[in-house]
Amino acid sequence: AQTVTQSQPEMSVQEAETVTLSCTYDTSENNYYLFWYKQPPSRQMILVIRQEAYKQQNATENRFSVNFQKAAKSFSLKISDSQLGDTAMYFCAFMKQDNYGQNFVFGPGTRLSVLP
Amino acid sequence: DTGVSQNPRHKITKRGQNVTFRCDPISEHNRLYWYRQTLGQGPEFLTYFQNEAQLEKSRLLSDRFSAERPKGSFSTLEIQRTEQGDSAMYLCASSFGRPSGANVLTFGAGSRLTVL
Repeated sequence: AQTVTQSQPEMSVQEAETVTLSCTYDTSENNYYLFWYKQPPSRQMILVIRQEAYKQQNATENRFSVNFQKAAKSFSLKISDSQLGDTAMYFCAFMKQDNYGQNFVFGPGTRLSVLP
Repeated sequence: DTGVSQNPRHKITKRGQNVTFRCDPISEHNRLYWYRQTLGQGPEFLTYFQNEAQLEKSRLLSDRFSAERPKGSFSTLEIQRTEQGDSAMYLCASSFGRPSGANVLTFGAGSRLTVL
């Protein structure tokens, strides 16, 4: 079974600074996908960024980028120029694909607070 | 299309009562997922449908839980004889399933259940 670990339950960052959230996972699969989802307080979860395991290039979406280390099974999220609206729970998620369906496994989350 | 819709948003019930939640996915999405999320935790997979077929169920889904997607469109999640441990946020997500490639989940706002 796949597991996802986020070792930082809470983090804070000053507005305009850069912060990195950690994620490690355990799998025996070779083909899979990794995601970061954001859940603002009392709001629904939205996709931040995704990475295909077969791609060596790290994904980037505006101020959000990842550092994907496949051998180390590490998938960290870097948020540059942090904004107050980035305050949220951040979940790292793993998705494998098999013949019968797909299933996401989420980590426990990191609560990020952006301070003015 | 207004995204994934879940109803009711909040439900308070007494222990032993039955509750039903409804999820209306994005219309062109053929895959639908139910997750349970407790406070401060990541979502836990409950079950997954491709069209009307329920393809995967977690062992978290006890006999008191049943999910249906009768016409491959909306889905219902019913909990019978509720227990206080069932108190949680129940999240629905949908995706457009492709044989390969990352199927990004779009989440609803969730249905919060409180069992007294």
